Amino acid sequence: DAKTTQPPSMDCAEGRAANLPCNHSTISGNEYVYWYRQIHSQGPQYIIHGLKNNETNEMASLIITEDRKSSTLILPHATLRDTAVYYCIVRAPGTASKLTFGTGTRLQVTL
Amino acid sequence: DTEVTQTPKHLVMGMTNKKSLKCEQHMGHRAMYWYKQKAKKPPELMFVYSYEKLSINESVPSRFSPECPNSSLLNLHLHALQPEDSALYLCASSQVGSEAFFGQGTRLTVV
Repeated sequence: DAKTTQPPSMDCAEGRAANLPCNHSTISGNEYVYWYRQIHSQGPQYIIHGLKNNETNEMASLIITEDRKSSTLILPHATLRDTAVYYCIVRAPGTASKLTFGTGTRLQVTL
Repeated sequence: DTEVTQTPKHLVMGMTNKKSLKCEQHMGHRAMYWYKQKAKKPPELMFVYSYEKLSINESVPSRFSPECPNSSLLNLHLHALQPEDSALYLCASSQVGSEAFFGQGTRLTVV
């Protein structure tokens, strides 16, 4: 699976959009980009995933660049409850392949 | 039901004890995973089961022994652990190749 690079930490004011970047320059053509988050001492929570088109669900939006070498997770109106570590993961489809976590971005949402 | 249930939530065991961690899901998922997470580190993959067969073992020491008795249940048998094995143990499940759902983990302390 391709390696990902994320900034170690980011701050965001409550109510503003949080834009979390991820670099995955060695991604293969069939690999998906997944985003998870982990709130302190809880299990990771699935947020969203995509292949090449932009995706949106009730939690977030995922923007993948045309060359697929990077992506951005957007939380449109961050709240204090969005404070967590956010992980960007690249994963091959099909078989029960590895879901390998990198070091992630610690997002701190403040008043 | 989108829940992965792990028991117990907390476990303290001696280095000579034998104990088991249990993970259960009723989402019809055919892939199940064990992860280990040390404090302030990302989750590390230990084992992957696909259709009740072990498909990935990330060179985990034999004192950790996984078992998948049926499609809903995943166990992790522990024997002769060391204090450095103290960690949060996370279970996850997914449709094969799809997003994984995590349990809340078992916090293990080896004394």
